[in-house]
Amino acid sequence: RKEVEQDPGPFNVPEGATVAFNCTYSNSASQSFFWYRQDCRKEPKLLMSVYSSGNEDGRFTAQLNRASQYISLLIRDSKLSDSATYLCVPTSGGSYIPTFGRGTSLIVHP
Amino acid sequence: NAGVTQTPKFQVLKTGQSMTLQCAQDMNHNSMYWYRQDPGMGLRLIYYSASEGTTDKGEVPNGYNVSRLNKREFSLRLESAAPSQTSVYFCASSEAQRAGELFFGEGSRLTVL
Repeated sequence: RKEVEQDPGPFNVPEGATVAFNCTYSNSASQSFFWYRQDCRKEPKLLMSVYSSGNEDGRFTAQLNRASQYISLLIRDSKLSDSATYLCVPTSGGSYIPTFGRGTSLIVHP
Repeated sequence: NAGVTQTPKFQVLKTGQSMTLQCAQDMNHNSMYWYRQDPGMGLRLIYYSASEGTTDKGEVPNGYNVSRLNKREFSLRLESAAPSQTSVYFCASSEAQRAGELFFGEGSRLTVL
């Protein structure tokens, strides 16, 4: 099983829609989780950090399910500007290596 | 407001040539990383440096060397470039205690002919 797995998509949704995608991780010792967004031909940028069961920031909500070892990202009221690739990064304490999933592509259309 | 700065942004090399990608951060971060990104492959870690004076191999270190020159700078060297090293290279940094919160440079697009 890969360390981090994401559905590559693309998820194609209209403006205003709610969309969610999951990230599964194999390391049960993972403690903290991060979602990044990456625009085409740009560098990844941190979107959200999740240190407990979840986090919410405006239209974005991240939920952690430790029992099933996945973290989800929910985007409400999608905007055209949300079109990007969303990357999941689980981490564990101590010395570790940030391992990125391959990302989920989101396309929001008018 | 520089953050992480990478140079060069674009480079074309011939097979067998060498080059060094430079990376500098001004956030006083202890940890620095070099990733490569290829279509459909996601970000793969080449090397990382947990602190000044230390470097460790990541997932794909073959064909690369690194130097952590000081706390600010972390360079990546290709000694004998190969077409398989055509990629986009990203440098990143983070605080030691918040290692998942990475700050990335804008990337260096390398083509090896």
